[in-house]
Amino acid sequence: GESVGLHLPTLSVQEGDNSIINCAYSNSASDYFIWYKQESGKGPQFIIDIRSNMDKRQGQRVTVLLNKTVKHLSLQIAATQPGDSAVYFCAEREYGNKLVFGAGTILRVKS
Amino acid sequence: GAGVSQSPSNKVTEKGKDVELRCDPISGHTALYWYRQSLGQGLEFLIYFQGNSAPDKSGLPSDRFSAERTGGSVSTLTIQRTQQEDSAVYLCASSFPRTGIFAATEAFFGQGTRLTVV
Repeated sequence: GESVGLHLPTLSVQEGDNSIINCAYSNSASDYFIWYKQESGKGPQFIIDIRSNMDKRQGQRVTVLLNKTVKHLSLQIAATQPGDSAVYFCAEREYGNKLVFGAGTILRVKS
Repeated sequence: GAGVSQSPSNKVTEKGKDVELRCDPISGHTALYWYRQSLGQGLEFLIYFQGNSAPDKSGLPSDRFSAERTGGSVSTLTIQRTQQEDSAVYLCASSFPRTGIFAATEAFFGQGTRLTVV
């Protein structure tokens, strides 16, 4: 399996600013993608998903962008709040229904 | 219950002992996943069950690891002769089956079992 050691990339943002978290996925045949948020001591929680036949999907304060040409996903969080501080993972659905996760990004919100 | 339930929440075991971790998926979810998460790291895929199909075991790190799913519901992950490097949080997730291309099948996670091998 994949692991990235103890140095997950960290994004620090000021409260109220917008955050952009990026993810590169590996399989060009993946047809479905999910962003998860994981707070300390908890399991990952679903934030938003997107199908590969879409380029953009919006939720409440969050937007996911998909660029299939370069196999890149991004999660945009508007008006970031302290409660958004967590580790964020992207996941891609490969052949069948197998979900494979990216390395994760730590989001720290400064008040 | 309404969510994925894992037990125990914490397990401390001596090196060389066997452990069993349990996962109760959401009712109706035929897909079940096991992941391992070491401190400060991402989610490492271990095994995936989908209905009555043969499980995808491609992520199991060694033959000391095995998992079964009885009756298409509860799953047990067994680690034999535990080693200190097995210490991690073991996460289980479940989802509805994929019904077609682009079908949304978000996986819902349990709180995990924190395994410590001493």
